[in-house]
Amino acid sequence: DSGVTQTPKHLITATGQRVTLRCSPRSGDLSVYWYQQSLDQGLQFLIQYYNGEERAKGNILERFSAQQFPDLHSELNLSSLELGDSALYFCASGNSGGDTQYFGPGTRLTVL
Amino acid sequence: GEDVEQSLFLSVREGDSSVINCTYTDSSSTYLYWYKQEPGAGLQLLTYIFSNMDMKQDQRLTVLLNKKDKHLSLRIADTQTGDSAIYFCAERGQAGTALIFGKGTTLSVSS
Repeated sequence: DSGVTQTPKHLITATGQRVTLRCSPRSGDLSVYWYQQSLDQGLQFLIQYYNGEERAKGNILERFSAQQFPDLHSELNLSSLELGDSALYFCASGNSGGDTQYFGPGTRLTVL
Repeated sequence: GEDVEQSLFLSVREGDSSVINCTYTDSSSTYLYWYKQEPGAGLQLLTYIFSNMDMKQDQRLTVLLNKKDKHLSLRIADTQTGDSAIYFCAERGQAGTALIFGKGTTLSVSS
């Protein structure tokens, strides 16, 4: 158990819909990273937050957004969903030293 | 740009050693990582090495880093069936930044 929690574990929805994925980092970690894992693209970095502020952006679509709240939990919002958005979405948390990232169990999103 | 390459498959017999190789392109990488993913599970951090080290050993795991050739390897001694999983190599540049992952190497261990 990495100490990073993600909910829900599975999500099935239809094209055009909007979903929210939630992540709670390890106690004491200020950084949250979101990654997408798909069969064709592999593991891709989406976005990073540090202590409530956006720190870095990767291959994140404009339909996707995220935020980190004062209690440090983070949410990833995916809207106008397409079939190709079906993937595993991972959250990772990192310490202030920035040397390690611990991953949550992931949320499997299926868009029908 | 940054890229991490790994072979896709490795098959070994139980009790043998496994060596999983990885090459990366970013010479400014500060840390390099090995993660393990079992079916239906998340990524488990196995070990990592700072770029000024050549080798790191942790029980059955040995990481070798050749910074000149930008080559990283993970050796698993006395491989067990429970080691069957996908192993990801990842690099990171500056502290606190995102990881760049390879496509993963599927390790299959037969008894």
